[in-house]
Formats: sequence, C-alpha cells, structure tokens
Amino acid sequence: EAGVAQSPRYKIIEKRQSVAFWCNPISGHATLYWYQQILGQGPKLLIQFQNNGVVDDSQLPKDRFSAERLKGVDSTLKIQPAKLEDSAVYLCASSLGQSTLLEQYFGPGTRLTVT
Amino acid sequence: DAKTTQPTSMDCAEGRAANLPCNHSTISGNEYVYWYRQIHSQGPQYIIHGLKNNETNEMASLIITEDRKSSTLILPHATLRDTAVYYCGDFGNEKLTFGTGTRLTIIP
Repeated sequence: EAGVAQSPRYKIIEKRQSVAFWCNPISGHATLYWYQQILGQGPKLLIQFQNNGVVDDSQLPKDRFSAERLKGVDSTLKIQPAKLEDSAVYLCASSLGQSTLLEQYFGPGTRLTVT
Repeated sequence: DAKTTQPTSMDCAEGRAANLPCNHSTISGNEYVYWYRQIHSQGPQYIIHGLKNNETNEMASLIITEDRKSSTLILPHATLRDTAVYYCGDFGNEKLTFGTGTRLTIIP
C-alpha cells in the first residue's frame, strides 16, 4: 500500500514570497490533515478536511495560509506571503475517517525555510 | 484540550524495556491518549492509543493510571531502530493534539 505522498521535500524562499505544498493521501482515505511542525515542537494541526469539505481550520492563519481539496483526494497548502516564522516542516496526514479510533498516516513532510 | 507533559530526553540500553512517561492531568473523560513516534526526517508513526484500560499491540504496551492523569508507554525489548522522538497526545474535539515529545536514545 502506497503511503502519503508530499512534494516538494524541501523548499527555500525569501520572506514575502509565495509557496505551495502538495499532498496525495492514501487511496480511499476520506480525511486529510495538514500540520505545522516547528523545530523542537510537536506537530500542530492547521486544517482538517473530510472529503472536500473543511472540518476544522481554527488554527490556520487565514490572512496568509489557504488550503484546498477540490476533488476530495489531493490537497494543496499555500502560504502567501511567507514570514520568517513560517519556517517549519509541513506534514500531511490521512485517515479512513474522523473516528477517534482511526490512526493517522503521515507523509514525510515538506521542510520550508524562509530567509 | 488536555495539555500533556513529557521528559525531554531518555536513554535506554538495547534489549531492555523502555518506559516513557506522560502526564495528562487535565484530560477529560472521553479523550483518548495517543502515542506516536517520529524517526529523524520522517513523519510521525502511530504506536498505540487507549482510553481507560491498558492496551498492548505488536509494537508496545500502554499503561494508563486509574485516575487517567498519567500513562506510560512500554517498548518491551528496545532496539537501535527505536531511537526516535516519542509523542504523547490526546484526541479530543475531533482533533489530535501532540505534546512536546521525549527524545529516546537506545544505547548499544
């Protein structure tokens, strides 16, 4: 079974530039998550999709971050414009559903450096 | 959401049992305790979860105290491949919240 795919693996941009990350979840997984992991900290949920609808985006900085999952499969996360504090690893995860008992499968992440 | 606290780092000898503690004193009655681990440059990997009872699977055992204020993850026979950051977290309000993690180093 293929895992969660993310690209690119690494990205370096200057502040005020834009960047986009792509995620392809495990086939058949209805729920998709984007997490931000700052160095030395645990992952923090940014946004959760159930199929193509947003379930929770309460911790997404909506003035600069946006995400979409138009066909209920792939997803993109965009930052525009980037700030220095956005330097982090952006992790995508998926699960079969929203149930408490379902584990989340994580991709390898995209390491973003903003200079 | 409950706040979890974990020791920053721990060492364990190869072949011995690794016991990783987690405090979650503010966890509510319907929030599950989850454990994930993250090997360098990879995404987190699910290990185990529980609500009230102790749990065991092929990777680890989870011991939850009766008052649910703390738990311990046990890796029964640690190997070098178990070197990772171990996160204790809680699942509440349909959201998984990670703690700050314990960096476990297995010593040959």
